Amino acid sequence: DAKTTQPPSMDCAEGRAANLPCNHSTISGNEYVYWYRQIHSQGPQYIIHGLKNNETNEMASLIITEDRKSSTLILPHATLRDTAVYYCIVRVATTGTASKLTFGTGTRLQVTL
Amino acid sequence: DARVTQTPRHKVTEMGQEVTMRCQPILGHNTVFWYRQTMMQGLELLAYFRNRAPLDDSGMPKDRFSAEMPDATLATLKIQPSEPRDSAVYFCASGLALKSGARARMGEAFFGQGTRLTVV
Repeated sequence: DAKTTQPPSMDCAEGRAANLPCNHSTISGNEYVYWYRQIHSQGPQYIIHGLKNNETNEMASLIITEDRKSSTLILPHATLRDTAVYYCIVRVATTGTASKLTFGTGTRLQVTL
Repeated sequence: DARVTQTPRHKVTEMGQEVTMRCQPILGHNTVFWYRQTMMQGLELLAYFRNRAPLDDSGMPKDRFSAEMPDATLATLKIQPSEPRDSAVYFCASGLALKSGARARMGEAFFGQGTRLTVV
């Protein structure tokens, strides 16, 4: 799986948009970008994933650059409950050993009042 | 509300003892992952099953760790003998791999709450 680079930490005021960047310059054409988060003392939670088009769901939006070498996860109105470590992962979405999730160190997002 | 269930949530044991951690994947999911999380190493994949057969257990120390799926509703991770360096949070996750034409696609993984293991 392609390696990803994320800032170690970020702060965001409650109610504002949180924009979490991720670089994946070695991504292959068949690799998707996945985002998971881990709230303290809980298991990781799936947020969103995409291939090349921007994606939106009830939790977040994912913006992928045209060259696919980087992406941004957007939490449109961050709340204190969004404080967590956010992991950006690239993986092949087909089955087999390539579909395992390899977690990096992630970005620790702190949402403040 | 479908979820992955792990037991026990916490386990304290003495060095040398056998430890068994259990995981009930979401009903209908055909893929199970075991991860270990420590402060130093982060989240590491230990083993990965598809339709109860091991696909990849290269991340698991073979001499003391074993992972099995006795049936589709139960996955187990055993450590025998346990050592202090095994202290960590162990997560199980399940997912669904679907066949679509000639290729199969893997959906997202759902994680359990973890088993916090302390070996003293």
